Amino acid sequence: AQRVTQPEKLLSVFKGAPVELKCNYSYSGSPELFWYVQYSRQRLQLLLRHISRESIKGFTADLNKGETSFHLKKPFAQEEDSAMYYCALISGAGSYQLTFGKGTKLSVIP
Amino acid sequence: ETGVTQSPTHLIKTRGQQVTLRCSSQSGHNTVSWYQQALGQGPQFIFQYYREEENGRGNFPPRFSGLQFPNYSSELNVNALELDDSALYLCASSLRRGNQETQYFGPGTRLLVL
Repeated sequence: AQRVTQPEKLLSVFKGAPVELKCNYSYSGSPELFWYVQYSRQRLQLLLRHISRESIKGFTADLNKGETSFHLKKPFAQEEDSAMYYCALISGAGSYQLTFGKGTKLSVIP
Repeated sequence: ETGVTQSPTHLIKTRGQQVTLRCSSQSGHNTVSWYQQALGQGPQFIFQYYREEENGRGNFPPRFSGLQFPNYSSELNVNALELDDSALYLCASSLRRGNQETQYFGPGTRLLVL
């Protein structure tokens, strides 16, 4: 069964410092990986997906199949990045259910 | 273009009762998924409907059931409510194109079972 692990419940960084939110997954095939974000009092929204190879709001994530990781990174944290971040995967075998991690709350200290 | 909407926003029920939650998909989307998010947890997949047929189900008992209507709106029904059913219920709609799909979430319905 697929599983997504986000080891940190809370991550606090200072404004301007680099950010790395960790995500590890277990799945035997080729999953599609996502990062979703939930800002205060807003709905869950897609931040980025690995197949797009986009950089959204300065965030990037690289899929490392050897380490089964999909860490989210940003070189310089901004106060508006404070939010709840969820890593998720969809298995590649015609299944479209998202499997989420428990989430990491990012707090950017001004 | 309107986003995904859900109703009601909050609901309080007692154990053993039944509840129906509603979701209106984003315009043009043909797929709807339902998730349960308990406090401090990530969303957990309940089931998905594609063109009015159930298309995948998570590890939830049969008392969780759903419907998708021709206009692609959807309902989640839960019978014989238990205290552990207290959670935020999220609906997500998507447009399936080949093997690509991005799910857009509604604001959720917060259910409290007493």
